[in-house]
Amino acid sequence: GESVGLHLPTLSVQEGDNSIINCAYSNSASDYFIWYKQESGKGPQFIIDIRSNMDKRQGQRVTVLLNKTVKHLSLQIAATQPGDSAVYFCAENSGGSNYKLTFGKGTLLTVNP
Amino acid sequence: DADVTQTPRNRITKTGKRIMLECSQTKGHDRMYWYRQDPGLGLQLIYYSFDVKDINKGEISDGYSVSRQAQAKFSLSLESAIPNQTALYFCATSDPRSGSDTDTQYFGPGTRLTVL
Repeated sequence: GESVGLHLPTLSVQEGDNSIINCAYSNSASDYFIWYKQESGKGPQFIIDIRSNMDKRQGQRVTVLLNKTVKHLSLQIAATQPGDSAVYFCAENSGGSNYKLTFGKGTLLTVNP
Repeated sequence: DADVTQTPRNRITKTGKRIMLECSQTKGHDRMYWYRQDPGLGLQLIYYSFDVKDINKGEISDGYSVSRQAQAKFSLSLESAIPNQTALYFCATSDPRSGSDTDTQYFGPGTRLTVL
């Protein structure tokens, strides 16, 4: 079946290092992808998105890379800060007119001072 | 996101009780969604509504019902709560305007529901 999954359920990094969070998807019809950040006790917060006609998109300290050949999505966070500690979810929209999102299970990022 | 509010934020109830969770938004978005989140799992779609007259089942609609009272309000009901409905519930909104690249969903703060 179609699914969105994550390679690593947990990631621990040192403050100031770069973080890379990975996501695999299996629906080749997906035409756009979103990364969300969820802090403890809060709802998911939009970070960055990318359409399937792009392979890279940059935001403030974050970059999303899309490799359609291997159906892989990654989120790179530069100079990781303690405030980046959270669960990060990727989500895919499988196309069509309904715009429903399928979410991955999430990766817990812990930033050590 | 303060534009999407959920009430109550926490609720403890007993098996068999009827529960209603409410969601309100000031974003003016047409589309609204209800998700459930269990520990260590991603978000699962319960119901979604693309406008006031539109209601659609998501992945896990059994045991739930919804009401779209207005563009700004979308309620989720558990007619007879059971313990395995203990979870975090999130409401979200989106608005894929013509010409927009994406249909980003914006989430409320969540409701923590415990069914004893």
